[in-house]
Amino acid sequence: DAEITQSPRHKITETGRQVTLACHQTWNHNNMFWYRQDLGHGLRLIHYSYGVQDTNKGEVSDGYSVSRSNTEDLPLTLESAASSQTSVYFCASSAGTGPGGTGELFFGEGSRLTVL
Amino acid sequence: DAKTTQPNSMESNEEEPVHLPCNHSTISGTDYIHWYRQLPSQGPEYVIHGLTSNVNNRMASLAIAEDRKSSTLILHRATLRDAAVYYCILRDDLSGTYKYIFGTGTRLKVLA
Repeated sequence: DAEITQSPRHKITETGRQVTLACHQTWNHNNMFWYRQDLGHGLRLIHYSYGVQDTNKGEVSDGYSVSRSNTEDLPLTLESAASSQTSVYFCASSAGTGPGGTGELFFGEGSRLTVL
Repeated sequence: DAKTTQPNSMESNEEEPVHLPCNHSTISGTDYIHWYRQLPSQGPEYVIHGLTSNVNNRMASLAIAEDRKSSTLILHRATLRDAAVYYCILRDDLSGTYKYIFGTGTRLKVLA
C-alpha cells in the first residue's frame, strides 16, 4: 500500500545544531507540505512544494529550509535549531487533482522534535 | 487566504448527532470548504468538502449556508472514536495552489 513516512519519529537535539527531518511518500504525489503543531496554534504551514525543484514558503518559514530533488522526498532542515522550534512536525502530500477535486491531504505520523 | 472561525470546544453524548459550526464570512466564490479531523496522536485526516450544495459521505454530512458564509459539519451518531479536533478550512482551487491553512479547530469531546 502507498504511504507517507516520517523519520525520525522522536529526536532530541541541542540549540545551534542542524537537524533534518525526512519525509517520504510512495503515492507519486506532486504536492508535499510541512506543518508544525504547537499547543494553542493548531497546524501552521512551514514550506510546501508542487513538484521537483519547486519550493515555497509558508506561514512560519524562518529558520527552516526544504529541497525537492525527486517526487518522493521533501526533507525539512533546521539550519540552527532553536528552543522555539520544539514542536511536532507533520509532513503531508496530495495529488492536486484540479479545481473541486478532493486534493486530499495524506499526513505522516509526525516527528516530535525537542531542542534543548 | 480567507479565514474561518470555529468554537474552541464542544461536547456531545455518544450516539447523538453533533453539529460543528464554522463561520467564513470572507469566503470568495472560488473557495471550497474542507473539513479535516485529527485523532489523538495522529496526523489530520480528510472528512468531507463542498462548494455550494450540501454533501454527504460515509463519515459525515456538510451543510453549507445559502450565502456560503457559514457551514456545519454533521456527525449523525457520535461515537467515542469521533473524539478529535475538527478543522474547517477554505481552499482556493482556482488559484492553482492546493495549500491548506489550518486554524485551531474545534475539540470535540464525546461522552459515554
